[in-house]
Amino acid sequence: KAGVTQTPRYLIKTRGQQVTLSCSPISGHRSVSWYQQTPGQGLQFLFEYFSETQRNKGNFPGRFSGRQFSNSRSEMNVSTLELGDSALYLCASSLGLAGVIRQETQYFGPGTRLLVL
Amino acid sequence: AQSVTQLDSQVPVFEEAPVELRCNYSSSVSVYLFWYVQYPNQGLQLLLKYLSGSTLVKGINGFEAEFNKSQTSFHLRKPSVHISDTAEYFCAVTLSGNTGKLIFGQGTTLQVKP
Repeated sequence: KAGVTQTPRYLIKTRGQQVTLSCSPISGHRSVSWYQQTPGQGLQFLFEYFSETQRNKGNFPGRFSGRQFSNSRSEMNVSTLELGDSALYLCASSLGLAGVIRQETQYFGPGTRLLVL
Repeated sequence: AQSVTQLDSQVPVFEEAPVELRCNYSSSVSVYLFWYVQYPNQGLQLLLKYLSGSTLVKGINGFEAEFNKSQTSFHLRKPSVHISDTAEYFCAVTLSGNTGKLIFGQGTTLQVKP
């Protein structure tokens, strides 16, 4: 099976712009989670989508949003970019079937590295 | 609230020596525990996980971890490291039944020296 793919891999934007990142989960996975990784704050959970609905949300401002499509692909959007949004954005997918223990592992993509100038 | 503490930010070790990376968590409810590894410019790869059952968990690349509920710890060990194990290691927890949200520790950089 193909792994989690993220596009683009690298991105440079300027302050005030907006950006959209894409994530394609492993085939058959219905849950997609997004994380932000920075040297200062480490890995922080942004949100999780399951069956096109946001199921969990982290502590990020409303400038960060996401959505999931019927084929489980997900996008996240950051509006009005700030310098502090420079980070590696990681997407992870899982089967998403709560209560089925063996299927709760999250598999990560390679990430999109966003640089805001 | 749940939290994860990785007690060492950097661990230098010589090749073929044993290593232990420490992880403590706090949670008032049942959790699942994970160790992930991140090589430079890459995403996270799952090393091992504890969901239930035996407290000694074996993972890939010769790593193992032991879940200690009384000490709320989940330390990662390897009896003999290789240069290729140089990477950043993350301990993470997720609540049972709320598996879409991983809470990560700050990471431990393992530096294997020849």
